[in-house]
Amino acid sequence: QKEVEQDPGPLSVPEGAIVSLNCTYSNSAFQYFMWYRQYSRKGPELLMYTYSSGNKEDGRFTAQVDKSSKYISLFIRDSQPSDSATYLCAVSGNEKLTFGTGTRLTIIP
Amino acid sequence: DAGITQSPRHKVTETGTPVTLRCHQTENHRYMYWYRQDPGHGLRLIHYSYGVKDTDKGEVSDGYSVSRSKTEDFLLTLESATSSQTSVYFCAISLNWQGENTEAFFGQGTRLTVV
Repeated sequence: QKEVEQDPGPLSVPEGAIVSLNCTYSNSAFQYFMWYRQYSRKGPELLMYTYSSGNKEDGRFTAQVDKSSKYISLFIRDSQPSDSATYLCAVSGNEKLTFGTGTRLTIIP
Repeated sequence: DAGITQSPRHKVTETGTPVTLRCHQTENHRYMYWYRQDPGHGLRLIHYSYGVKDTDKGEVSDGYSVSRSKTEDFLLTLESATSSQTSVYFCAISLNWQGENTEAFFGQGTRLTVV
């Protein structure tokens, strides 16, 4: 079983829609959870990180962690064409960061 | 942008030749990582370092070695390049706080082609 599972998509939604991206993880010891955005031919850039369970909001983005179900989510409100990218979830544990495979998102104008 | 520089940015090399990729940071972060990114596999950890001369293997370390003689530099060497090592390689750095690695910052990547 992979430590982090992520639906690879692709996912296409119209501009202005709410986007929900999700990952599951296997190790209940993980405490730090991150979301990265990666544009084509660029390095991943940190979008948000959360510690333990709960929600964290930053503008149009909300990261949510449910440790009881080992489920992490990223919500994008009022999606824009500039949000079109690959989104990767990541968890921190045992000195390492483990990534999901990424979900490719396209926002259609 | 975090101060991470990868070099070279692009490289084409022949099968069987050794190749060294360099990652340089100006942030003085303790942890440095090398990942490779391939379609369908996402980012996979090759090796990481938790201090000068302190390194450990990741999930896809076969055929790779690393060295860290200074805090700011982390080198990845493909000892004898193979076509299966054609990939995009990313270096990352992170802090370690209370035993956990918090957010990592990535370089721009090195696109390596082995022919």
